Amino acid sequence: DSGVTQTPKHLITATGQRVTLRCSPRSGDLSVYWYQQSLDQGLQFLIQYYNGEERAKGNILERFSAQQFPDLHSELNLSSLELGDSALYFCASSPRSGGGEQYFGPGTRLTVT
Amino acid sequence: GENVEQHPSTLSVQEGDSAVIKCTYSDSASNYFPWYKQELGKRPQLIIDIRSNVGEKKDQRIAVTLNKTAKHFSLHITETQPEDSAVYFCAEETNFGNEKLTFGTGTRLTIIP
Repeated sequence: DSGVTQTPKHLITATGQRVTLRCSPRSGDLSVYWYQQSLDQGLQFLIQYYNGEERAKGNILERFSAQQFPDLHSELNLSSLELGDSALYFCASSPRSGGGEQYFGPGTRLTVT
Repeated sequence: GENVEQHPSTLSVQEGDSAVIKCTYSDSASNYFPWYKQELGKRPQLIIDIRSNVGEKKDQRIAVTLNKTAKHFSLHITETQPEDSAVYFCAEETNFGNEKLTFGTGTRLTIIP
């Protein structure tokens, strides 16, 4: 157990819908990272927040957005969902911004039908 | 820009033999190189990492070597065991205003008993 929690574990929804994925970092960690992992694919970095502010951005679609709240938990919002958005979404946390181990949560498996 | 090539994509090794996975990166400013292990359906977990001021690091049966001139780093697993079967991802990070990990495409390692 890494100490990073993600909810929900599984999510099944229809195309065109909007969902919110939630992540709580390890106690004391200020950075939260979001990744997308499609079937048999690698980990694609989406976005990073550090202490409430966006710090780095990857290939995140405009239909996706995220934020980090004052209590440091983070939410990833996915809207106008398409079949191709079906994937495992991981969040990870680390004590600082970069240069160290990232601790991954268990992931949320999103299925868009 | 960031780009990490990982080879091979699949690797089968007899139990007890060694396994080597290699990654090549393009950004000469990269300075942090972790390796993650992901078992089926589980979260990625850091198994070893190396920084650019070190050429080699070892932890029991696992070692990582870094060649900054050639821009490649490798994971070495000795005396492989069935529990080493997993997907292994290399990653690199450039820690100057772009503090995100770029992952390789993964190597599926199978240990044959």
